[in-house]
Amino acid sequence: DTGVSQDPRHKITKRGQNVTFRCDPISEHNRLYWYRQTLGQGPEFLTYFQNEAQLEKSRLLSDRFSAERPKGSFSTLEIQRTEQGDSAMYLCASSFLLKSWAFFGQGTRLTVV
Amino acid sequence: GNSVTQMEGPVTLSEEAFLTINCTYTATGYPSLFWYVQYPGEGLQLLLKATKADDKGSNKGFEATYRKETTSFHLEKGSVQVSDSAVYFCALSQGAQKLVFGQGTRLTINP
Repeated sequence: DTGVSQDPRHKITKRGQNVTFRCDPISEHNRLYWYRQTLGQGPEFLTYFQNEAQLEKSRLLSDRFSAERPKGSFSTLEIQRTEQGDSAMYLCASSFLLKSWAFFGQGTRLTVV
Repeated sequence: GNSVTQMEGPVTLSEEAFLTINCTYTATGYPSLFWYVQYPGEGLQLLLKATKADDKGSNKGFEATYRKETTSFHLEKGSVQVSDSAVYFCALSQGAQKLVFGQGTRLTINP
């Protein structure tokens, strides 16, 4: 399977704990995106990388959120001191440079209790 | 900023009915436009796209035409099937960067 892969698929955590999600993009893709989707809403942009450089961060990405893409391959999204409002589906997508469409993974569903 | 507005759902149709899901957008310049579909339990899949005005995207019997004059990209299908039941998202991208999504329209097709 050469699609976008996300791990874990589901995560339940207690409020205040830290969580980390991983995304493996399609191997030839230069760009990697993170989105957040809450129930009944469309995905909202969080951040994106071009190779290893983080080029844009949304104002939705508070100081508790950090993303990395070491060596321009897989990416991690960490949320520190989780809050109930962080409960959502976190989606990763990747694309070729200069192509406007992206391919999505199946997402990681986070539940903060 | 850029935004996408979709017709509110849910939409319920009988099999073989004609489908239209309205989508309008606000953007400067000439964005690329997309429809993504999310089947139950699955991730977002690109359904079709149009990258310039008057382009028609099509896939799996679905079509949408990029109308610059009305800033619209309505999704249509002539005869829907039960397997088309899903959530449909209209989206735009400017400068080959991030996608901006509408809120989604849940479609249910009854046999």
